[in-house]
Amino acid sequence: DVKVTQSSRYLVKRTGEKVFLECVQDMDHENMFWYRQDPGLGLRLIYFSYDVKMKEKGDIPEGYSVSREKKERFSLILESASTNQTSMYLCASTRQSYNSPLHFGNGTRLTVT
Amino acid sequence: AQKITQTQPGMFVQEKEAVTLDCTYDTSDPSYGLFWYKQPSSGEMIFLIYQGSYDQQNATEGRYSLNFQKARKSANLVISASQLGDSAMYFCAMKRGSNYKLTFGKGTLLTVNP
Repeated sequence: DVKVTQSSRYLVKRTGEKVFLECVQDMDHENMFWYRQDPGLGLRLIYFSYDVKMKEKGDIPEGYSVSREKKERFSLILESASTNQTSMYLCASTRQSYNSPLHFGNGTRLTVT
Repeated sequence: AQKITQTQPGMFVQEKEAVTLDCTYDTSDPSYGLFWYKQPSSGEMIFLIYQGSYDQQNATEGRYSLNFQKARKSANLVISASQLGDSAMYFCAMKRGSNYKLTFGKGTLLTVNP
């Protein structure tokens, strides 16, 4: 079974802090994604990566950056956390084919105070 | 621009009845994939069913089937014989483009009543 592991289940940070959310997958998937999930807004794509060191902006990239130095690891960075970034963050991975489903991690509930 | 539209924020169904969850999509890519996911209150995302843009037949997986109408750009999920455990959020998603970007709708909260 594919395993996507997010480093923290719950995280509390202060406004202005730099925050790192880590995600690791063990199935050699080419594509990795970061979404945030908010009530009533569904899952919104922040960034995704289709190869090592390659990234593409999603629908809401402002205030975020990403890093993919190794194929199995995809990091989401909040350069200066703000209260409006309080949310559930979901990492996912998939193969580069139309019929390959996304496999999700368990999510990180980030609270910025 | 919204690529995936789920027009039903919430739906109610009686146990053992069938229910249809709506999903419309927008893309100019000839090749794409459509997915449905279930998210129970525990928060995990569970893959349910897939439909490819070139598939001639509607996808089925157990009690789940997909009513795929390509010309209308709709991919509705049909759940037959609803069970209490089907109560959850349901998301429609589309994978498209050369980089296989996957976009989700806002979801439909399904409640199954006993």
